[in-house]
Amino acid sequence: GAVVSQHPSRVICKSGTSVKIECRSLDFQATTMFWYRQFPKKSLMLMATSNEGSKATYEQGVEKDKFLINHASLTLSTLTVTSAHPEDSSFYICSARDRNSNQPQHFGDGTRLSIL
Amino acid sequence: GNSVTQMEGPVTLSEEAFLTINCTYTATGYPSLFWYVQYPGEGLQLLLKATKADDKGSNKGFEATYRKETTSFHLEKGSVQVSDSAVYFCALSGEHAGGTSYGKLTFGQGTILTVHP
Repeated sequence: GAVVSQHPSRVICKSGTSVKIECRSLDFQATTMFWYRQFPKKSLMLMATSNEGSKATYEQGVEKDKFLINHASLTLSTLTVTSAHPEDSSFYICSARDRNSNQPQHFGDGTRLSIL
Repeated sequence: GNSVTQMEGPVTLSEEAFLTINCTYTATGYPSLFWYVQYPGEGLQLLLKATKADDKGSNKGFEATYRKETTSFHLEKGSVQVSDSAVYFCALSGEHAGGTSYGKLTFGQGTILTVHP
């Protein structure tokens, strides 16, 4: 079945570091990918919609310069948390929609980001 | 805008008990409705879905019926197992499905389910 791979699964780094998270669709092409953030024991908050070959669409209140999204191919989207600070620590989850299928989004397993 | 409200947890049950997790929504048009499950440290897995009124989604003994008149999509299971312990999210997609692809999801706050032997 369709699989979305997210990497890394966990990252711990110092404050001020930039961190890149990858989201890959392994066996399908995704013109649209979504990035979510999940706080402990909370729901998922959509951060942005990543569109292949064009700029991402950010949700209200999400800083574009803080969370850089690149969707350069039909199978890869990246989220870069720039100059990360402890308040950026969270669980980030991506999802992807198969352009050739009438099925809902497939989710990655998430990335646990911890900023010290 | 669209919103989803789930019953607050956590929910703690004994094995083989009956489960209900309430979910109501607010949306314009004809949303598609979903239940997702998240096991500890993992991403979300689609549990079941319904794309139009009166549709019943079902999977692994879970089921939910799309009730447009009450704007609800309650999740039920007749006999839960320890392996069902997870966080359950109700969600909606605001685009009209009708055979086309799905849009961005709006999630409820999630309900933690713990099942004891």
